Amino acid sequence: GAGVSQSPRYKVAKRGQDVALRCDPISGHVSLFWYQQALGQGPEFLTYFQNEAQLDKSGLPSDRFFAERPEGSVSTLKIQRTQQEDSAVYLCASSLDRSYEQYFGPGTRLTVT
Amino acid sequence: AQTVTQSQPEMSVQEAETVTLSCTYDTSESDYYLFWYKQPPSRQMILVIRQEAYKQQNATENRFSVNFQKAAKSFSLKISDSQLGDAAMYFCAYRAITSGTYKYIFGTGTRLKVLA
Repeated sequence: GAGVSQSPRYKVAKRGQDVALRCDPISGHVSLFWYQQALGQGPEFLTYFQNEAQLDKSGLPSDRFFAERPEGSVSTLKIQRTQQEDSAVYLCASSLDRSYEQYFGPGTRLTVT
Repeated sequence: AQTVTQSQPEMSVQEAETVTLSCTYDTSESDYYLFWYKQPPSRQMILVIRQEAYKQQNATENRFSVNFQKAAKSFSLKISDSQLGDAAMYFCAYRAITSGTYKYIFGTGTRLKVLA
């Protein structure tokens, strides 16, 4: 079946704009994770969903970041009033359940100008 | 807090030769998973190999094998018979088993260049 997909693949936003990044997990995967990968760095955890419940949002860098997964499938990561330091690749990963291996999407590269 | 350290920002290997990428980690947990992921320029993270901490036997996957030293908290990746397609960023990652979120904690990565 299809893997994890993310859209858009590239997003350019002007400072102060709001953006929404979408993640389509593998069908049937209960757990969904968002990571932020700055240039030249490893991915860093942002938030985690088990079905529609957001069980951990400890990695969200500020209250401008908001994530949702209302029906336990597709997830959206929203960034309000984007800043230059938000420029990064945003990776989504899903797993059958939280203790299983995570499968990653191709990421969305966000550039804030 | 758990941390993962990759001290080699970049490594080079001749095609068909063997290379070892280093990774150390810190944790107070006794059970956990360790992973090596490959990230080519396309950015898609691909699982290379996985090791369960409670297993003493080192994991192997074809040309890829690990040297897992639990007491030393070391988890190196050996790539044998290197191929041009192995060129990529390699990330070491840790995941707890018993606690909380099951989020991955990644190192900063090692860029592997394969020379023809």
